[in-house]
Amino acid sequence: EVQLVESGGGLVQPGGSLRLSCAASGFTFSSYWMSWVRQAPGKGLEWVANIKQDGGEKYYVDSVKGRFTISRDNAKNSLYLQMNSLRAADTAVYYCARITFGGVIALEYWGQGTLVTVSS
Amino acid sequence: EIVITQSPATLSVSPGERATLSCRASQSVSSNLAWYQQKPGQAPRLLIYGASTRATGIPARFSGSGSGTEFTLTISSLQSEDFAVYYCQQYNHWPPITFGQGTRLEIK
Repeated sequence: EVQLVESGGGLVQPGGSLRLSCAASGFTFSSYWMSWVRQAPGKGLEWVANIKQDGGEKYYVDSVKGRFTISRDNAKNSLYLQMNSLRAADTAVYYCARITFGGVIALEYWGQGTLVTVSS
Repeated sequence: EIVITQSPATLSVSPGERATLSCRASQSVSSNLAWYQQKPGQAPRLLIYGASTRATGIPARFSGSGSGTEFTLTISSLQSEDFAVYYCQQYNHWPPITFGQGTRLEIK
């Protein structure tokens, strides 16, 4: 059974940093692109970042470029999102998701999400 | 950036009836479109990818159609568990991957 479990969310002050983790199990983690998607309270879904199987390609939404870094450790079956210079607008539930195999960039499996609140 | 517009924002339908949700892209995305269902307090669930291919375990009452800029998600006979928010997402021109703003399907 595919499982994705996020952790690391919490309350942080504007300008602060936070590192989210996503522990993957039930599939060959190193074979899949992975993604972070966020959802502000009461709002819709917003894609944040993607990372290729070997970590060699990374893509970001413009609003987080230069502040967020997606990474992975295939030996630990883990995905990460380092978030720096956090703003109130970054407040959201952050989901990690596995992208479908074979070039279709649909988000096939999702974690339960972790809430990040940026507030003073 | 491709803008995705969903309509209507809210759709009221009775159980057992058919629901038709629409998704429009600001430029052609070919068939590179997915649909998701999200229930309160839960993560989204992938329903459809490639505009018309059901994801694993998705009931046959869910069907997707369209290509280019116009897409439709049809739920043929609504069950109580189908009342939720539905999002479409394009992956033809990325980054960025973009989602529609969602359609809330509510019980009439």
